Amino acid sequence: GAVVSQHPSWVICKSGTSVKIECRSLDFQATTMFWYRQFPKQSLMLMATSNEGSKATYEQGVEKDKFLINHASLTLSTLTVTSAHPEDSSFYICSAKVGWGLVPLHFGNGTRLTVT
Amino acid sequence: GEDVEQSLFLSVREGDSSVINCTYTDSSSTYLYWYKQEPGAGLQLLTYIFSNMDMKQDQRLTVLLNKKDKHLSLRIADTQTGDSAIYFCAESINDYKLSFGAGTTVTVRA
Repeated sequence: GAVVSQHPSWVICKSGTSVKIECRSLDFQATTMFWYRQFPKQSLMLMATSNEGSKATYEQGVEKDKFLINHASLTLSTLTVTSAHPEDSSFYICSAKVGWGLVPLHFGNGTRLTVT
Repeated sequence: GEDVEQSLFLSVREGDSSVINCTYTDSSSTYLYWYKQEPGAGLQLLTYIFSNMDMKQDQRLTVLLNKKDKHLSLRIADTQTGDSAIYFCAESINDYKLSFGAGTTVTVRA
């Protein structure tokens, strides 16, 4: 079964509004979660690493004021796309490490964001 | 930039074997992964291999790793229509950061 739950699956919003995407770890505590962005027919690009109780670490070129990440608990990380524009339309996917040490990542089902 | 490279498309007849190839660059990678993505969905972890292994088999899936050539392959035996998807190869940069290839679109024809 799914170990990482992402919500919503898709969202359509108007330009200038903000959208929040949730990523939950099910039945385990995830001290670290990751947010990826995927453009059509392209690979995944890591946007940021979300650490519980501390500030997120953003990859080069990702605007931290644009993509707000909050990891307030051990099972929930949120990504808020602020003042969304059509170019923010994309597929956003979160992932979490399941377990300790060298273990693989599990991914949520993704959120399709369309900004009109 | 693409540190992980894989061919973009593969067409295979139902019942045949599929082989998806991938090359990576970071010799210090600890894990190498194969993920499957169906249309509109997230990534599903298919299998992974630790870098000190040469081969791993899991039901219809066989992963081969050639560390010398930094080459990874995924073989799907008896390919079914449900195997049509995009398959991503990924290497671990450290114990959690992954670098993905562009994905191979596998189309299974009857």
